[in-house]
Amino acid sequence: GENVEQHPSTLSVQEGDSAVIKCTYSDSASNYFPWYKQELGKGPQLIIDIRSNVGEKKDQRIAVTLNKTAKHFSLHITETQPEDSAVYFCAAGMDSSYKLIFGSGTRLLVRP
Amino acid sequence: SAVISQKPSRDICQRGTSLTIQCQVDSQVTMMFWYRQQPGQSLTLIATANQGSEATYESGFVIDKFPISRPNLTFSTLTVSNMSPEDSSIYLCSVEGGLAGLSGANVLTFGAGSRLTVL
Repeated sequence: GENVEQHPSTLSVQEGDSAVIKCTYSDSASNYFPWYKQELGKGPQLIIDIRSNVGEKKDQRIAVTLNKTAKHFSLHITETQPEDSAVYFCAAGMDSSYKLIFGSGTRLLVRP
Repeated sequence: SAVISQKPSRDICQRGTSLTIQCQVDSQVTMMFWYRQQPGQSLTLIATANQGSEATYESGFVIDKFPISRPNLTFSTLTVSNMSPEDSSIYLCSVEGGLAGLSGANVLTFGAGSRLTVL
């Protein structure tokens, strides 16, 4: 079955710097890759997703890139702000199923 | 997107007891799911709650331990039976659909979760 690995497990950046979180997946049939942000005491919230028919997607300060050949995808956050501090999860799935396999999470701390 | 309410938000339970978690959605949804998030860990799908039929469980999860009800398209319950300290986790309800602009197949919205501590 699918396996998703996520790195780093923790990331500390200065406010205004960029943050990059990387994930790899094992099942070449996966074609949907969402990113979720989980703030303390809350459930995960979808912040951006990408499907395998595109290589990059951007939404304001957040971007996601996908390399299907290498089976890895990354989340890029530019101009980080303290409110970006949270745990971020990547996931992989298929259009034919709602089942998502999640990575282990990255705790991002943005220092003011 | 759907608004999900989970109850209880947290509880402390004694070993050997059972606890039922409720998930209420403000709109009808076809797909409802239950996830477990162990302390400091990722999210693992327990089961898909099917309206009018038995839930579909993932490998490693069984109905006797995690019975699920889905009486209608807006409500589901998950019971954690005969609890042990290893069951201490956050249990999350999720449904299909997301924020405008991020909708489509596979998009999930999560509730805030129910944090269970088993002593």
